[in-house]
Amino acid sequence: GAVVSQHPSRVICKSGTSVKIECRSLDFQATTMFWYRQFPKKSLMLMATSNEGSKATYEQGVEKDKFLINHASLTLSTLTVTSAHPEDSSFYICSARDYQGSVNEQFFGPGTRLTVL
Amino acid sequence: AQSVTQLDSHVSVSEGTPVLLRCNYSSSYSPSLFWYVQHPNKGLQLLLKYTSAATLVKGINGFEAEFKKSETSFHLTKPSAHMSDAAEYFCVVSDYGGSQGNLIFGKGTKLSVKP
Repeated sequence: GAVVSQHPSRVICKSGTSVKIECRSLDFQATTMFWYRQFPKKSLMLMATSNEGSKATYEQGVEKDKFLINHASLTLSTLTVTSAHPEDSSFYICSARDYQGSVNEQFFGPGTRLTVL
Repeated sequence: AQSVTQLDSHVSVSEGTPVLLRCNYSSSYSPSLFWYVQHPNKGLQLLLKYTSAATLVKGINGFEAEFKKSETSFHLTKPSAHMSDAAEYFCVVSDYGGSQGNLIFGKGTKLSVKP
């Protein structure tokens, strides 16, 4: 149980285009999902927290207009990188918190490798 | 505010020898602590977690960690390293006092296992 998927696993796009990444909880309902960014050989940085049916809460320094987050259902959250630039290239990881589980436990997706040319 | 410090950025051991990955935390609350493992280009897998129950926590793949409040430590150990243990390990503390239960990650320790 507690499986989280991400799609796509890898994406390459041209500078200036937008890219959407999906995060799904496959066997549980997730009222809260989290989006992280991981730079090469670095730790995970929390970008934003999204709650189903409400606006996402962004961490300091993260541009909400650039990283659009939508959490329209209890099993799906999307991250759209708008007008992507090479500096947006990174490994993006989502996680989901089980609605009925521990408030502290998050289940992580396998990540999406974004490369902006 | 909560924080976590992983004292070693890289640890190298020989196969069959013990593993020790060190982690110290800072928390204003009774913390929840986790260890996650990440293999190259893969997502994070939970190894074990401490949530105020037994201080010695056993996880998957033979790993365990001991919560020591007096030392504010949560070191990860394994008696005998296997080649498949080579990966990045993250010590994580939960922002339990906050409304979101956010996770705060250490910078990671890369474990190399030599044959």
